[in-house]
Amino acid sequence: SQQGEEDPQALSIQEGENATMNCSYKTSINNLQWYRQNSGRGLVHLILIRSNEREKHSGRLRVTLDTSKKSSSLLITASRAADTASYFCATDLNDYKLSFGAGTTVTVRA
Amino acid sequence: GAGVSQSPSNKVTEKGKDVELRCDPISGHTALYWYRQSLGQGLEFLIYFQGNSAPDKSGLPSDRFSAERTGGSVSTLTIQRTQQEDSAVYLCASTGVSSTDTQYFGPGTRLTVL
Repeated sequence: SQQGEEDPQALSIQEGENATMNCSYKTSINNLQWYRQNSGRGLVHLILIRSNEREKHSGRLRVTLDTSKKSSSLLITASRAADTASYFCATDLNDYKLSFGAGTTVTVRA
Repeated sequence: GAGVSQSPSNKVTEKGKDVELRCDPISGHTALYWYRQSLGQGLEFLIYFQGNSAPDKSGLPSDRFSAERTGGSVSTLTIQRTQQEDSAVYLCASTGVSSTDTQYFGPGTRLTVL
């Protein structure tokens, strides 16, 4: 079963706008990760945030984690056409297994 | 190469045939995962290998699915007597020392069962 659930399922924005997507999970975690997938192929790791961290930045990406609400958000600022992809959150179920959500599909219109 | 590689990239087969999918992890990575992703869905865990330990096969959907990892490196996922519902993208990933840190994914094999 999936531990993480992304919201919304799909998002369409204009180039230059910000995109925000959320991930909720059910059980306690050690870390949460966000991945990007282009064209239904391999996933690319974007950012990992540990349970004792509240916010993390990487370039135009900003991730927050609220362990009390069991939720995380991924913000992409100043979006570009190349950001068009599906975004997945992944939480650790045990010391080796990750659970991936169903993803948010982001379309950036030129 | 530096990344995870998978072959073939696409495989079309007839119902009832067996298929083998291959994964070459990043050199030195001890952990290897297989996932299945159906159209528009998230990733479904299939199997996990870590060094010489017994693999976690808890995600394999039926006894038609099996996987091996030879010499702690290359892995082969075998699907016997393929069914149409096996059509999906099969993704392989590997990680270094800490298995719940960043997973490095291959490009996947898109399997179509006619």
